Amino acid sequence: DVKVTQSSRYLVKRTGEKVFLECVQDMDHENMFWYRQDPGLGLRLIYFSYDVKMKEKGDIPEGYSVSREKKERFSLILESASTNQTSMYLCASTSGGGAYEQYFGPGTRLTVT
Amino acid sequence: AQRVTQPEKLLSVFKGAPVELKCNYSYSGSPELFWYVQYSRQRLQLLLRHISRESIKGFTADLNKGETSFHLKKPFAQEEDSAMYYCALSQGGSEKLVFGKGTKLTVNP
Repeated sequence: DVKVTQSSRYLVKRTGEKVFLECVQDMDHENMFWYRQDPGLGLRLIYFSYDVKMKEKGDIPEGYSVSREKKERFSLILESASTNQTSMYLCASTSGGGAYEQYFGPGTRLTVT
Repeated sequence: AQRVTQPEKLLSVFKGAPVELKCNYSYSGSPELFWYVQYSRQRLQLLLRHISRESIKGFTADLNKGETSFHLKKPFAQEEDSAMYYCALSQGGSEKLVFGKGTKLTVNP
C-alpha cells in the first residue's frame, strides 16, 4: 500500500517567513509532484520532479522552489511567504514508466498571516 | 494547450437518481483521461481511468473523442457518493496531469 505523508496537516506562518513543506513516499516512486488546491480553481501544479535532483516547473511556480535530494523526499519551499500563498498544498507521487495513477498525501493547510 | 473543463461547480441530486458529472477536454494528441475523487476528510484518490474501461463503485465514464468529453455517470446515486470529483488529462503521455476545477456532488437523502 503506497504511503505518501506530509510533514504537517496545519501550518500558520507570518508574511515574509521562509516555509518548508515536506513530503515523503515509501514506495520507491520516480516522480513526485506539488500542487495547490483552491476552491473554484481545482488543483494547479507547482513543480514536479522525475528523478533525484531533477525538477521541472509546473503551471504556477512563481514564489516557490523545490528540493529533491533523496528519492523518497520532495520539499516545497516558499522563500518569502505571502498571504496569497494561503492554500491547501498536496503532494503526490507516481511510480514512473507510464503508470499514471498519482498517489496523494493528506495535504497541508497553510495559512499565511 | 491542454485544458480540462468541468462546467458544474456544484451538483445536487437525490438518492437513487441518475447522476452525470461533465468533463470536456482540449488536447491535440491521443488523450489519457482520469476521474479522481476526494471524500470528506480523505485524500484525493483515483476513481477510474478511461483506458481500463472499468466500473468502479457503480461509476462509468466513456471517452468520446468526437465530442472531446469524458463524462462520469452512475445510474443510481448513493449518499456515500457525495464528494469532490476532478477530471484529469495526462499531458502528452507524461505522468503530469492537468486537472479540471472540480465538481462538488451532493447526494441528498
